[in-house]
Amino acid sequence: KQEVTQIPAALSVPEGENLVLNCSFTDSAIYNLQWFRQDPGKGLTSLLLIQSSQREQTSGRLNASLDKSSGRSTLYIAASQPGDSATYLCAVKSSGTSYGKLTFGQGTILTVHP
Amino acid sequence: DGGITQSPKYLFRKEGQNVTLSCEQNLNHDAMYWYRQDPGQGLRLIYYSQIVNDFQKGDIAEGYSVSREKKESFPLTVTSAQKNPTAFYLCASSPGQGPTEAFFGQGTRLTVV
Repeated sequence: KQEVTQIPAALSVPEGENLVLNCSFTDSAIYNLQWFRQDPGKGLTSLLLIQSSQREQTSGRLNASLDKSSGRSTLYIAASQPGDSATYLCAVKSSGTSYGKLTFGQGTILTVHP
Repeated sequence: DGGITQSPKYLFRKEGQNVTLSCEQNLNHDAMYWYRQDPGQGLRLIYYSQIVNDFQKGDIAEGYSVSREKKESFPLTVTSAQKNPTAFYLCASSPGQGPTEAFFGQGTRLTVV
């Protein structure tokens, strides 16, 4: 059974800092890994999608890496801003099921203060 | 604009009532999913559908029912058999199986009164 863990559970940083969010998973049989952002009371916004054959993806100030063999992914946020404050979720899409089950971590709550 | 629309945004249910949450997508995606989100528990899969007129139970299907009569629509009914329905419900879709990206709606907050 796939299990996804995110560390830390919460993070508070001053504006301008570079920061790293961690995601680990137990089963390396995956199609891909997605990072999402969730604002309070809102749905999930997809930030980055890394296919199992890729090592990293970049979008603006965000960079996500994937090490499938060790079951780890990191989301790097450069020059953090108060507007980055949100919950960040990672999810892996397993290749061992017929429908590609998406398993989520419990999220990292990020607060960036001015 | 292409996307997933969930309605209503807020829903209140009395004890013993069935309620239906709407999910519509115009992305031409084959696969659709319903998740439940509770504080501290992450997202859990309720039902999924890979194609019209076909759907399967997820991890926590008890007390819920779905239908998939049209490709763009995947409504979720929360029945009176669901003993703890208060939660945030999220609908998602993807082009299909395999290494495809998932997209989510804005969610429906269901509260039992």
